Amino acid sequence: ELKVEQNPLFLSMQEGKNYTIYCNYSTTSDRLYWYRQDPGKSLESLFVLLSNGAVKQEGRLMASLDTKARLSTLHITAAVHDLSATYFCAVDWAGNNRKLIWGLGTSLAVNP
Amino acid sequence: EAQVTQNPRYLITVTGKKLTVTCSQNMNHEYMSWYRQDPGLGLRQIYYSMNVEVTDKGDVPEGYKVSRKEKRNFPLILESPSPNQTSLYFCASSSHGLAGGSEQYFGPGTRLTVT
Repeated sequence: ELKVEQNPLFLSMQEGKNYTIYCNYSTTSDRLYWYRQDPGKSLESLFVLLSNGAVKQEGRLMASLDTKARLSTLHITAAVHDLSATYFCAVDWAGNNRKLIWGLGTSLAVNP
Repeated sequence: EAQVTQNPRYLITVTGKKLTVTCSQNMNHEYMSWYRQDPGLGLRQIYYSMNVEVTDKGDVPEGYKVSRKEKRNFPLILESPSPNQTSLYFCASSSHGLAGGSEQYFGPGTRLTVT
C-alpha cells in the first residue's frame, strides 16, 4: 500500500532564509499535489504535478516531482511570515480504488 | 463565486443521535469527497463520489454514510455518532476526479464533537 512521508513535520525558520520540504512516497505514481492549510482554516491547492520532472513555481514557492526517486520537493525561497502554515503533499494512487494518499503535513513557522 | 459550502460549521452532539453534515458545490464538479482530519493522523478519506449515484468507500468509512442524488450535493450522514467520530470534517470537490489530475477545492470544514 502506498505510504507518503513528509519531512520535516515541523519547521521553524527565519524570514529571508531558504528551505526545502520533502515528500517521499512508496509506490509508483506520477501525480502529486501540494496543499496549504492556514491555522483553523481549510485547505487550498498550491500545485498539481502531473509528470516526471514537472516543476511549478508560485511566488516564493517552487515544487518539483521526480517520479523515479518517488520524491517531491517544496522549496521556499526567502521566507516571509505570510508563508507560515501547514503544507501537505498528496499522492494519487491508482490502486484498487483511485484515491489520494496524504502526508501528515509540515507545520511551518516563519519568524521575524 | 466558486465555492464548496458545508453546514453546520460547528456541531456538538450526543452519542447515538443521528446527524447530517451537508456539502454543496456550485462548480458543476463530478468528483466529491469527504475527509476527516485528526491531530497526528493527517487527512483521511471517508467516502468519495465519482458522479451522481456513484459512491465508494475511502480509508475510514465505518460509521458513515453518504449519498449523491444530485451533482452539487454530497451529504455525510452519521447514523449513530460515537465519541471517536469527534473530528474536523472537510468536503472537497474536483472537476474530473483524480484520473484527470484535477486539484480539489475544499469546504470550510465542520468541527464535530460527540459527547
